[in-house]
Amino acid sequence: QKEVEQDPGPLSVPEGAIVSLNCTYSNSAFQYFMWYRQYSRKGPELLMYTYSSGNKEDGRFTAQVDKSSKYISLFIRDSQPSDSATYLCAMIGNYQLIWGAGTKLIIKP
Amino acid sequence: EPEVTQTPSHQVTQMGQEVILRCVPISNHLYFYWYRQILGQKVEFLVSFYNNEISEKSEIFDDQFSVERPDGSNFTLKIRSTKLEDSAMYFCASKESGRPTNEQFFGPGTRLTVL
Repeated sequence: QKEVEQDPGPLSVPEGAIVSLNCTYSNSAFQYFMWYRQYSRKGPELLMYTYSSGNKEDGRFTAQVDKSSKYISLFIRDSQPSDSATYLCAMIGNYQLIWGAGTKLIIKP
Repeated sequence: EPEVTQTPSHQVTQMGQEVILRCVPISNHLYFYWYRQILGQKVEFLVSFYNNEISEKSEIFDDQFSVERPDGSNFTLKIRSTKLEDSAMYFCASKESGRPTNEQFFGPGTRLTVL
């Protein structure tokens, strides 16, 4: 079983839709959870991080962690074409970032 | 806004050749990282570096790989004898402190193509 699983997509939605991106993980020791956005030919940039279970909101983005289910989500409200990118979840284990495969998101105008 | 820079943006090399990938981290950062991303696959941790020594490394980071901070600004990744499977995007990252939640800032990457 992979440590972090993420559907690579692509996920295509119309502009203005609510987007839900998800990852599951197997290691119950993970405590820090990150979401990165990666545009084509660019390095990942940190969007949000959360510690332990719960929700965190930042503008149009909400990160959610459910440690009991080992499931994390990123919601994007009022999606824009500029949100089109690959979204990677990452978790800290053994002081290293463990990455999901990334989900390619396409927002259609 | 300060940023991590990497050179070259694309490196093409013959199998068996040595390559050096260069990174200039953000100036006040103390922790440095190399990651790679094979096309279509996930980002993989290679190595972390702090206080002029390797602090963590993955199974990928074998004897063919080495890192160096030759001066106060550059952070390099050397692959001694490249293999076809080393073809990937290599990302450098840096962060200011050792706190787990402290953000790692990534460079734009170097695309390495081994022929």
